[in-house]
Amino acid sequence: KAGVTQTPRYLIKTRGQQVTLSCSPISGHRSVSWYQQTPGQGLQFLFEYFSETQRNKGNFPGRFSGRQFSNSRSEMNVSTLELGDSALYLCASSLTSGGLSSGANVLTFGAGSRLTVL
Amino acid sequence: AQTVTQSQPEMSVQEAETVTLSCTYDTSESDYYLFWYKQPPSRQMILVIRQEAYKQQNATENRFSVNFQKAAKSFSLKISDSQLGDAAMYFCAYRPDSGTYKYIFGTGTRLKVLA
Repeated sequence: KAGVTQTPRYLIKTRGQQVTLSCSPISGHRSVSWYQQTPGQGLQFLFEYFSETQRNKGNFPGRFSGRQFSNSRSEMNVSTLELGDSALYLCASSLTSGGLSSGANVLTFGAGSRLTVL
Repeated sequence: AQTVTQSQPEMSVQEAETVTLSCTYDTSESDYYLFWYKQPPSRQMILVIRQEAYKQQNATENRFSVNFQKAAKSFSLKISDSQLGDAAMYFCAYRPDSGTYKYIFGTGTRLKVLA
C-alpha cells in the first residue's frame, strides 16, 4: 500500500511568488492535514480537510490556503511568499474524520515538501 | 490552550542501553490521545507509540514503552536495547478527543545513539 505522497520534494522560490504543494493520501484515507515545520516555531498545524470540507484551520495568515478534491488529494497554496515561509511542509492522512468514535485514529505523514524562499 | 513540553533538546544513549525521553502536557480535558513520533533524517514522521488517556495501562510496542501519568500530565517514552536506527528527532504530540486532527507537538528531542 503506497504511503502519503507529497510533491514536489524540494523547491526554491523568490519573495512575492506563489507556490502550490500537492499531497496524495493513502488510498482510502479521506482526512488530510497539513503542518508547517520550522526550526524556530517547530511543528504547527495549518489546516485539515475531510470529504472536501475544511474542518479546522491554524493560526496562519490568509496567504495560506488549501483545498481537497473528490479523490481526497489535497493541495495547499501560499501566495506572496515571504522569507519566513521557508519551511518543511508536511501532509498527513487518516482514515476517518477524527470524530469522537474514531478512537486514536492516527495521522500517517508524508516525507514533506521543503520550500526555500530567497 | 493545550501545550506540550519536551524539556530535553538532546539526549545520548549507548547502543543496547535504555533511554527515557520526557514529555509533559497541559490540558483541561479528560479525554485525549498522546503520541510519540520519530523523525529520522529522511524527514518522514513515523508513529512510534500511542496512548489513549482513558486507558490506565501503559502502551508498549516492542522495545518502546511509555510511562503515562495522567494526574501529573506526564508521558515519557522509554526505549530499551537502543539501536543505531533509533537515532532521530522524537516528538511528543497531543490530540484532543473532539473530532480533529489538530495535533499539538512538543519541540522535540534529538536522540543520538553511540556505537
